[in-house]
Amino acid sequence: AQTVTQSQPEMSVQEAETVTLSCTYDTSESDYYLFWYKQPPSRQMILVIRQEAYKQQNATENRFSVNFQKAAKSFSLKISDSQLGDAAMYFCAYWDGAGGGADGLTFGKGTHLIIQP
Amino acid sequence: EAGVAQSPRYKIIEKRQSVAFWCNPISGHATLYWYQQILGQGPKLLIQFQNNGVVDDSQLPKDRFSAERLKGVDSTLKIQPAKLEDSAVYLCASSLNRITNYGYTFGSGTRLTVV
Repeated sequence: AQTVTQSQPEMSVQEAETVTLSCTYDTSESDYYLFWYKQPPSRQMILVIRQEAYKQQNATENRFSVNFQKAAKSFSLKISDSQLGDAAMYFCAYWDGAGGGADGLTFGKGTHLIIQP
Repeated sequence: EAGVAQSPRYKIIEKRQSVAFWCNPISGHATLYWYQQILGQGPKLLIQFQNNGVVDDSQLPKDRFSAERLKGVDSTLKIQPAKLEDSAVYLCASSLNRITNYGYTFGSGTRLTVV
């Protein structure tokens, strides 16, 4: 079974600084998708960024970018110019579609991001 | 567009009681998911519906959990009888197409406390 590991239970960064959240995963599949979700105290999971494994170019969404290292099975999230509104739990997630129509995501345990004003 | 609606937002019950959660997905979304998120962990898929049919319920504890999606729209997740370890946030999500194209849209969840 696929596993997703987030080794940083908590990270803290000064407002306007850059922070990188780590994620590693284990899979035997060659084609898959990786995601970062943000979960604020409201509990709603919000999609931050998505990466297709077959694409060599790292995905970017405004201040959010990823460093996808397929051989190392690493998928880190970089947040530039951190803002107070970025404070939340961040979850790394994996999906490969090998379940024959089943689209369940496999999530890591999350990283709690604190933004210091 | 309106988001994924869930109710209630909070629920406290005693062990061995029953409870039900309701989810209304985004209009037109054929796929609906229920996830369980225990404190300190990432969400875990319980069941996936495609319209009103079950695609995956391999991680649903079927001795106490049940779910239905009548007419392929709203869905209800039930626990009977509840155990202390069922305390968690129950998240509902929906998607228009398979996740490869659009990803999920999640609701704000129901926080269940079993005492």
